[in-house]
Amino acid sequence: QVQLQESGPGLVKPSGTLSLTCAVSGGSISSSDWWSWVRQPPGKGLEWIGEMYHSGSTKYNPSLKSRVTISVDKSKNQFSLRVTSVTAADTAVYYCAKRTHFYYMDVWGKGTTVTVSS
Amino acid sequence: QSVLTQPPSVSGAPGQRVTISCTGSSSNIGAGSDVHWYQQLPGTAPKLLIYANGNRPSGVPDRFFGSKSGTSASLALTGLQAEDEADYYCQSYDSSLSGVVFGGGTKLTVL
Repeated sequence: QVQLQESGPGLVKPSGTLSLTCAVSGGSISSSDWWSWVRQPPGKGLEWIGEMYHSGSTKYNPSLKSRVTISVDKSKNQFSLRVTSVTAADTAVYYCAKRTHFYYMDVWGKGTTVTVSS
Repeated sequence: QSVLTQPPSVSGAPGQRVTISCTGSSSNIGAGSDVHWYQQLPGTAPKLLIYANGNRPSGVPDRFFGSKSGTSASLALTGLQAEDEADYYCQSYDSSLSGVVFGGGTKLTVL
């Protein structure tokens, strides 16, 4: 059974860069699935950030594309998220998830809270 | 403004039936993209509830039923229980955005 665990700083300064990692256990990141990031601002709904395939192919939410990079480290069986030029609007719980080729997310991490504040 | 539209809230008494709608457009649900549903209990990560319009993952009670027609989809919960109180989100794929889209979420209150 695949499990996901997010990690990274809980506090980022405005204009800085948010960096998170999602460790994959119980399965290979080189499987036929896509690996996604989803965020949820306090009291709000879910927002898809983007996703990547182990080959390096990526897809991003057009509203975030200019600031987001998702990458993979096959040797560590993990993938990462970088968001540049962050503002308070990027404060959220960030989830990593496994997305099947049928476009649903069947495995989610527990989420990690990131606050953007000076 | 979410690409998929859901009612902000629904409520029902224990034992009753409630439905949650999810309205899309010709670039997502209407284009034939499947609709998936997630349940998010307070303080926890979303959990897959229904996939590909009407399929339940192992362990999800058959009190949850999903359907899709035209540019909309619905989630029905029968025999409402206190433990069903949660936020529910629909999700699909949008061909114009070339990515995953979510509904704004619906808070279910069990009276």
